[in-house]
Amino acid sequence: NAGVTQTPKFQVLKTGQSMTLQCAQDMNHEYMSWYRQDPGMGLRLIHYSVGAGITDQGEVPNGYNVSRSTTEDFPLRLLSAAPSQTSVYFCASSYEQGTSPLHFGNGTRLTVT
Amino acid sequence: RKEVEQDPGPFNVPEGATVAFNCTYSNSASQSFFWYRQDCRKEPKLLMSVYSSGNEDGRFTAQLNRASQYISLLIRDSKLSDSATYLCVVNPGTASKLTFGTGTRLQVTL
Repeated sequence: NAGVTQTPKFQVLKTGQSMTLQCAQDMNHEYMSWYRQDPGMGLRLIHYSVGAGITDQGEVPNGYNVSRSTTEDFPLRLLSAAPSQTSVYFCASSYEQGTSPLHFGNGTRLTVT
Repeated sequence: RKEVEQDPGPFNVPEGATVAFNCTYSNSASQSFFWYRQDCRKEPKLLMSVYSSGNEDGRFTAQLNRASQYISLLIRDSKLSDSATYLCVVNPGTASKLTFGTGTRLQVTL
């Protein structure tokens, strides 16, 4: 009963490095999304996808790329890490955008030095 | 005005107490409403959806007041294990993306 699986759990990057945060779900959900959570800011939407081959920007997309080649996977790429991207990242999926509750992965704690 | 607003707390209550949180939303066209629970350094987990007529799940009761544009969460007979941050989540009705409040922290003490 995996649900939403995120890897890695922790990551430290140097400024300018790139990396990919992995997210997979086994619930056959069409909607997938990435959030970042910072103290006092709540969860902010980075990118989202309503189905394979379709992605769109959320509230804070700059510095991040996504792709959705399959229903199951929705990786988040940091192109050139900056200290401002130090945050906790959550992947989430739902059956339907906006009306169904989101199921979250365990999160990735990222530090950029 | 923020789309979704919550009192950050903390609400410190003794075990067994009843506590209630409100969450206001700005868009009168908002559709879906949820309460999530988030433990420290963990992912948010769905506590309950909020229906127009109000709904109850054990010790938890959620209500929606469309006229005043807020939802509420009532916790009866608080347990130590209820200590967490409670996130209000709203579909603002535009572009159908869920919007999260910053959360209300609850601390239940002996």
